[in-house]
Amino acid sequence: SQQGEEDPQALSIQEGENATMNCSYKTSINNLQWYRQNSGRGLVHLILIRSNEREKHSGRLRVTLDTSKKSSSLLITASRAADTASYFCASTWFDQLTFGKGTKLSVIP
Amino acid sequence: EAGVVQSPRYKIIEKKQPVAFWCNPISGHNTLYWYLQNLGQGPELLIRYENEEAVDDSQLPKDRFSAERLKGVDSTLKIQPAELGDSAVYLCASSLGQREAPYNEQFFGPGTRLTVL
Repeated sequence: SQQGEEDPQALSIQEGENATMNCSYKTSINNLQWYRQNSGRGLVHLILIRSNEREKHSGRLRVTLDTSKKSSSLLITASRAADTASYFCASTWFDQLTFGKGTKLSVIP
Repeated sequence: EAGVVQSPRYKIIEKKQPVAFWCNPISGHNTLYWYLQNLGQGPELLIRYENEEAVDDSQLPKDRFSAERLKGVDSTLKIQPAELGDSAVYLCASSLGQREAPYNEQFFGPGTRLTVL
């Protein structure tokens, strides 16, 4: 069964706005990863944050990790229509990824 | 560099028929994964290979599902017989493996969308 939960399940915003997605997990992790999936396509790796890190940036992406709360957030700034996709967090314990159910983001031009 | 290749991209079959999916991982990636993704859900691991050895197949329904990776490169996932509930996307992923890359990044193929009628 899936371990993580994303919140919200669906998010609709206007182009240029920021989008924030949250993720919770249940057990120990080595790191936490975020993936994007466009409709009908495979998953694409976005960013990885290690268990000893609290915040990480990559371009318009900002990820935070709170291991005490077993939660992470993904912020996409200045969103674009091309950011429309489903976003999944995946908690990693050694070689095993456990995915959440995802957040479906719609960016309206 | 070519990514993970999967075929077919789409498959429609009648229930009780057999079906097979093929995956070719990124060259040099020792670890190969098969995931099942139901509509509106995240991927769930079915089986993980380290080279040709299945090191985690605890979530594979062994009564009807089987997989092989004979030469430690490409892999085949089979369902026989297929049931209506098997309709889903089957994703293949590969990675360098824990030894080479402790912070595991998996690269996914486009998936095979299976519809069982």
